[in-house]
Amino acid sequence: AQSVTQLDSHVSVSEGTPVLLRCNYSSSYSPSLFWYVQHPNKGLQLLLKYTSAATLVKGINGFEAEFKKSETSFHLTKPSAHMSDAAEYFCVVSLSYNTDKLIFGTGTRLQVFP
Amino acid sequence: DSGVTQTPKHLITATGQRVTLRCSPRSGDLSVYWYQQSLDQGLQFLIQYYNGEERAKGNILERFSAQQFPDLHSELNLSSLELGDSALYFCASMQGATGNTIYFGEGSWLTVV
Repeated sequence: AQSVTQLDSHVSVSEGTPVLLRCNYSSSYSPSLFWYVQHPNKGLQLLLKYTSAATLVKGINGFEAEFKKSETSFHLTKPSAHMSDAAEYFCVVSLSYNTDKLIFGTGTRLQVFP
Repeated sequence: DSGVTQTPKHLITATGQRVTLRCSPRSGDLSVYWYQQSLDQGLQFLIQYYNGEERAKGNILERFSAQQFPDLHSELNLSSLELGDSALYFCASMQGATGNTIYFGEGSWLTVV
């Protein structure tokens, strides 16, 4: 069965410092992995996705994630946090051959302090 | 803006009532998904329709039903509402049946009192 574990429910950083949001996955197959962001009172926006091409995936707003099969991880990073990055971030897994069903992690709330 | 439109944005109703949530997918997208986001259950997949036909079913209660119409819009019907049905209901759409990116709407907030 497929699942994702987001290792931190809350992450706090200062503006201008790096962001690291951790995600581990479990999958019987070669997975497709995603990061979605949810700003307050907004919908879910796709940040980036991995679908078995390059292991380092670049997304929107300066975010990137690296797929590490040996560690079953797909951590999200950003070199320098901005106040507008404050939001809830979801790591998501789906089957590689059937993306009909997305399995969401429990989410990580990112706070950015000035 | 993802291109997925959901109405209403907010809805307050009483226990035992029935409501209908509506979703218009992105232009050209044939798949429509419904997800529920609640505090205790997180984000859960409810159901998927592809070109008018049910394609996949998740944790959808028997009191809930959905359909996709010929113009590809979808409706999620929630009946005999309970307090625990209070949640944010997301609609999402995708171009094909599988293998593409799924785009989410901004959700419909349902409060059952």
